[in-house]
Amino acid sequence: QKEVEQNSGPLSVPEGAIASLNCTYSDRGSQSFFWYRQYSGKSPELIMSIYSNGDKEDGRFTAQLNKASQYVSLLIRDSQPSDSATYLCAAYSGNTGKLIFGQGTTLQVKP
Amino acid sequence: ETGVTQTPRHLVMGMTNKKSLKCEQHLGHNAMYWYKQSAKKPLELMFVYSLEERVENNSVPSRFSPECPNSSHLFLHLHTLQPEDSALYLCASSQDLHRGLLTDTQYFGPGTRLTVL
Repeated sequence: QKEVEQNSGPLSVPEGAIASLNCTYSDRGSQSFFWYRQYSGKSPELIMSIYSNGDKEDGRFTAQLNKASQYVSLLIRDSQPSDSATYLCAAYSGNTGKLIFGQGTTLQVKP
Repeated sequence: ETGVTQTPRHLVMGMTNKKSLKCEQHLGHNAMYWYKQSAKKPLELMFVYSLEERVENNSVPSRFSPECPNSSHLFLHLHTLQPEDSALYLCASSQDLHRGLLTDTQYFGPGTRLTVL
């Protein structure tokens, strides 16, 4: 079982729709979670971090964390073509001291 | 300059060459990281430094040798690499390594695209 698992996609949504990106993790000791966006040929840039169960909103982005289900998601409202990128989910376990990345989900927003 | 910078941005080397990758962070952070990103694979953590001390070496072959002379600079020395080492090498930094069970956000540099012939 992968430590952090994401569907590689591509996930294709029309412009203006809500894009929903999902991530599951295997280490119950994970406490910190991050979503990064990576454009092709570029480095990852932080979108959101989340530490507590529930929702965290920042502009068009909402991160959701459910530690009981070991599930993290990222919702992008009013998707724009400029949101087309690979989204990386990462989980940190204070017990192991490791930040583990998923392989990423490619999002395509079609005009 | 601000943030995390890396040089060179692109590097082509033969298997017998020796080269070095450089990373510099201007954020006042205490922890620095080297990652390898290969196509269709998750980011692989290679090395972690906290306050200039190496705290993690993730079973990386000895042909990769890190150096952290101070908290702002990180190098990755390369020698006798293999074609399968071709990848994007990313440097990152964070304020501290961890805060109890939590960790600080890591900020990435632009990466060095390495091709080994």
